[in-house]
Amino acid sequence: SAVISQKPSRDICQRGTSLTIQCQVDSQVTMMFWYRQQPGQSLTLIATANQGSEATYESGFVIDKFPISRPNLTFSTLTVSNMSPEDSSIYLCSVLAGGTYEQYFGPGTRLTVT
Amino acid sequence: GENVEQHPSTLSVQEGDSAVIKCTYSDSASNYFPWYKQELGKGPQLIIDIRSNVGEKKDQRIAVTLNKTAKHFSLHITETQPEDSAVYFCAASIHNAGNMLTFGGGTRLMVKP
Repeated sequence: SAVISQKPSRDICQRGTSLTIQCQVDSQVTMMFWYRQQPGQSLTLIATANQGSEATYESGFVIDKFPISRPNLTFSTLTVSNMSPEDSSIYLCSVLAGGTYEQYFGPGTRLTVT
Repeated sequence: GENVEQHPSTLSVQEGDSAVIKCTYSDSASNYFPWYKQELGKGPQLIIDIRSNVGEKKDQRIAVTLNKTAKHFSLHITETQPEDSAVYFCAASIHNAGNMLTFGGGTRLMVKP
């Protein structure tokens, strides 16, 4: 398995501002993912972040709104830009454990936009 | 793309009873099917998974079955306990072809003591 931490755990932000979420893993992993979970809903993939390449975004998510960095094999950031109340969600990073099929999730960042 | 349907959306059982949650998927290329448990305020926790070359897998009180022909898979929890109360998500992915998980809508399981 993998131990994943996220910062911040929660935040309340003003509309129009940006927030950068950090994801740290206790081991080197090739594939990292960012998901959004809107209140009371399921998880939706935002993008796949592989070290050494540009992030791949899913339909409905764009780089200008959700820029992602992946500077090394244990760390990634997701920025939520120009926030609106509709961006209020839990943002989760996950990793594909090396040599397995298993994906593990961090504890999430609970974002409220006012 | 893949579409995963999950039923029921809520499930209430008495402690000690069994609980069954069912999922169907649309993409026959999917070959990996994990189940996650999410407690309030926490991230999803992987509890069991199954690959497409296996029909059933068991881990203590939890089991998962897969029917590739019908494209459905199920989670079975026996001898439920109050600490099993949580939201459960099924998911599907194509391993080594992106590995992106497509999630079902979730099932809120309530175990009454």
